Amino acid sequence: GAGVSQSPSNKVTEKGKDVELRCDPISGHTALYWYRQSLGQGLEFLIYFQGNSAPDKSGLPSDRFSAERTGGSVSTLTIQRTQQEDSAVYLCASTPEGTYQETQYFGPGTRLLVL
Amino acid sequence: KNEVEQSPQNLTAQEGEFITINCSYSVGISALHWLQQHPGGGIVSLFMLSSGKKKHGRLIATINIQEKHSSLHITASHPRDSAVYICAGRRQWGGSQGNLIFGKGTKLSVKP
Repeated sequence: GAGVSQSPSNKVTEKGKDVELRCDPISGHTALYWYRQSLGQGLEFLIYFQGNSAPDKSGLPSDRFSAERTGGSVSTLTIQRTQQEDSAVYLCASTPEGTYQETQYFGPGTRLLVL
Repeated sequence: KNEVEQSPQNLTAQEGEFITINCSYSVGISALHWLQQHPGGGIVSLFMLSSGKKKHGRLIATINIQEKHSSLHITASHPRDSAVYICAGRRQWGGSQGNLIFGKGTKLSVKP
């Protein structure tokens, strides 16, 4: 019933470590999006899941980034061998059907700091 | 040229003033979202427009499809309206249908 949730809310890691960020979309929403917002920068698209279709990965900045969505619900964004430039707020959003006319519901974000 | 451009980048207003934030977008973008991001970072979707005009409380959003331009208006502005307002375009077709293309945001500060 609640909105989009994300965990953890904050994550501090050391350069070179792997991190996993989790997103729980609104129940029943078939489309899920990951975005990130670097300090002082605008939002940028990372990846989009729509039902059982192949995800749109066109926004992933490097092959260190990957995401999966299990059972059409929860999604995990994984960043391998983190770099300092990966520090950002990672936001997840969901929509009921993924059509272009839908309002996107955003989670509170995960603030990642890579030392 | 960015696909979605906003202006102004920063805006300071006195409480009560009428505020307008503008957004221009490129061909291929068929729906416009207006988002509000508060200082704590949370993002709220205000409007999604593909034509015409929408109103919610003191907020009004308009879109001119021919000119590829949208505006967000705030009437009787209040300090609690202080936030970053982001315009985002959604492609209707093409390889990346799923994503929003974001403008750089307009930082609004309303002084009491």
